[in-house]
Amino acid sequence: NAGVTQTPKFQVLKTGQSMTLQCAQDMNHNSMYWYRQDPGMGLRLIYYSASEGTTDKGEVPNGYNVSRLNKREFSLRLESAAPSQTSVYFCASKIDRGRYYGYTFGSGTRLTVV
Amino acid sequence: SQQGEEDPQALSIQEGENATMNCSYKTSINNLQWYRQNSGRGLVHLILIRSNEREKHSGRLRVTLDTSKKSSSLLITASRAADTASYFCATDALMNSNSGYALNFGKGTSLLVTP
Repeated sequence: NAGVTQTPKFQVLKTGQSMTLQCAQDMNHNSMYWYRQDPGMGLRLIYYSASEGTTDKGEVPNGYNVSRLNKREFSLRLESAAPSQTSVYFCASKIDRGRYYGYTFGSGTRLTVV
Repeated sequence: SQQGEEDPQALSIQEGENATMNCSYKTSINNLQWYRQNSGRGLVHLILIRSNEREKHSGRLRVTLDTSKKSSSLLITASRAADTASYFCATDALMNSNSGYALNFGKGTSLLVTP
């Protein structure tokens, strides 16, 4: 039982390049989330998916797209990376039964855009 | 904007002392959660308190919640050097589109416990 797995762990991009951050969970959770964390800040929600086939914008969606490929996987895509997107990205998942359970976070992807 | 605001932003204490961190939030919540993050690492869920609860304990952790004041506090008793980390409160609330719940984080309190 691996929990939430993010790949890659580290990535350096040049401005304008594109890439996809992968996230997979093996806990049969319904909801999945993408957050970014900048230095000295808490996590800010980029996009979330309450269930397979649905996605919604969070607080800071500009410059990103997401795909809920199936119940297990939720990917985040940067179409044209910008230095402002240098950040640590965290994926999380949560089961919705009862809505009183803590979220499970991946270990993060550290992205640098130069 | 971020939902929660922790206070203080930084806290330095000696081993054995208690550490208290406060969190304020803005909107109605389903529950409030506290997380720990060691430097350069992911988040670890510490404790969850539901909106109809006022106090909860887990080991050396004590959390209180005052929904009338929209505030919470985290108390770590008998702190250890290993407690050095950043602590975040996060409110679990229904998103604007009513399409599901998500966590909204504060900026965190950086705790340093010296031997």
